[in-house]
Amino acid sequence: GQQVQQSPASLVLQEGENAELQCNFSSTATQLQWFYQSPGGSLVSLLSNPSGTKHTGRLTSTTVTKERRSSLHISSSQTTDSGTYLCAINNYGNEKITFGAGTKLTIKP
Amino acid sequence: AQTIHQWPVAEIKAVGSPLSLGCTIKGKSSPNLYWYWQATGGTLQQLFYSITVGQVESVVQLNLSASRPKDDQFILSTEKLLLSHSGFYLCAWSRGGEEQYFGPGTRLTVL
Repeated sequence: GQQVQQSPASLVLQEGENAELQCNFSSTATQLQWFYQSPGGSLVSLLSNPSGTKHTGRLTSTTVTKERRSSLHISSSQTTDSGTYLCAINNYGNEKITFGAGTKLTIKP
Repeated sequence: AQTIHQWPVAEIKAVGSPLSLGCTIKGKSSPNLYWYWQATGGTLQQLFYSITVGQVESVVQLNLSASRPKDDQFILSTEKLLLSHSGFYLCAWSRGGEEQYFGPGTRLTVL
């Protein structure tokens, strides 16, 4: 089955620094989504980006489909960005969705 | 706007007791529905999905079952809880192959 690997597993930054999160997947995906999970909380969709580059606010995602990788860049990090960032993939017409283990981001004031 | 509700918010149950968790989506007709489970500190695992009323597909076997009695309702249940069922249960919906939207989740503790 599909596998999703996220790196780093954890990341600690000072407020104001930029964060770069990686997602690599084992087979082609027509849908790729980045989520934010607060400690003990539900998931919030950040970006849907199966290919190319997308921006929303301080977030930028770049997915290179042929290389089976995606990145999430968070600029000017804030303490409220702390939490776990998850990458999930699936293929159109296939309802089996695979999540990565996540990157735990901690932003220190 | 679509809203997704899950109930209960949290449950503490005894090993061997039955369980029923619910999920309702409002404002969207014929959504694809999903159940996920996350052990504490673990990876989110897809359990079931449903494309239409009355049809449910199992992805991971965890001695749980799911049903979709109505277009907007998805139920997760078991007759006998195990300690390993503890964790966080999430329901989600999508338009089929598109972005997923998650409910607030149910935290289950099995003692």
